[in-house]
Amino acid sequence: NAGVMQNPRHLVRRRGQEARLRCSPMKGHSHVYWYRQLPEEGLKFMVYLQKENIIDESGMPKERFSAEFPKEGPSILRIQQVVRGDSAAYFCASSQTGAYSPLHFGNGTRLTVT
Amino acid sequence: QKEVEQDPGPLSVPEGAIVSLNCTYSNSAFQYFMWYRQYSRKGPELLMYTYSSGNKEDGRFTAQVDKSSKYISLFIRDSQPSDSATYLCAMSGGRDDKIIFGKGTRLHILP
Repeated sequence: NAGVMQNPRHLVRRRGQEARLRCSPMKGHSHVYWYRQLPEEGLKFMVYLQKENIIDESGMPKERFSAEFPKEGPSILRIQQVVRGDSAAYFCASSQTGAYSPLHFGNGTRLTVT
Repeated sequence: QKEVEQDPGPLSVPEGAIVSLNCTYSNSAFQYFMWYRQYSRKGPELLMYTYSSGNKEDGRFTAQVDKSSKYISLFIRDSQPSDSATYLCAMSGGRDDKIIFGKGTRLHILP
């Protein structure tokens, strides 16, 4: 399966812990987007990355959240000191040429903060 | 005014009916338009991808774009219970590289 791979599928963290979400884009794709989805609220853009570069992080909370897409390996979305309000589904999507080609999504990581 | 507006539904139609799903938008710079289907607990799946105005057909699905009215539609013919899902519109091509999504319409096809 050459689709977008996200892991873990489910992640439970206690308040104050760190959450690390991983995303491997489709083969041949070098553009990665992260979205957060809450029930009844649709997909909220968080960050757009290319290899080794953050292109647009305007949707990321200023504190506790960070993202990277290293030259080798998956993209990582990192949430430090999680709070209950961080509980959501986090989706990664990849494309060939950014906003000028369609996004292909993974099946998401469901983060639950207890 | 929000950039993309989409009626959340739910929309319930009998099996075999033609379904019409719509989005309106405010940014006239958008040029790329997409429709995604999302089943519960799954990621959005790309259904249709169109550039600029016009129609595009793929099997039972037809996407329409009317840029003059800033209005896009997805039609599903011969609807099946397996079409029951949330349908999201998305668009891009504005000043930045963002892809903007509607909130999605929940569709129920009644057997």
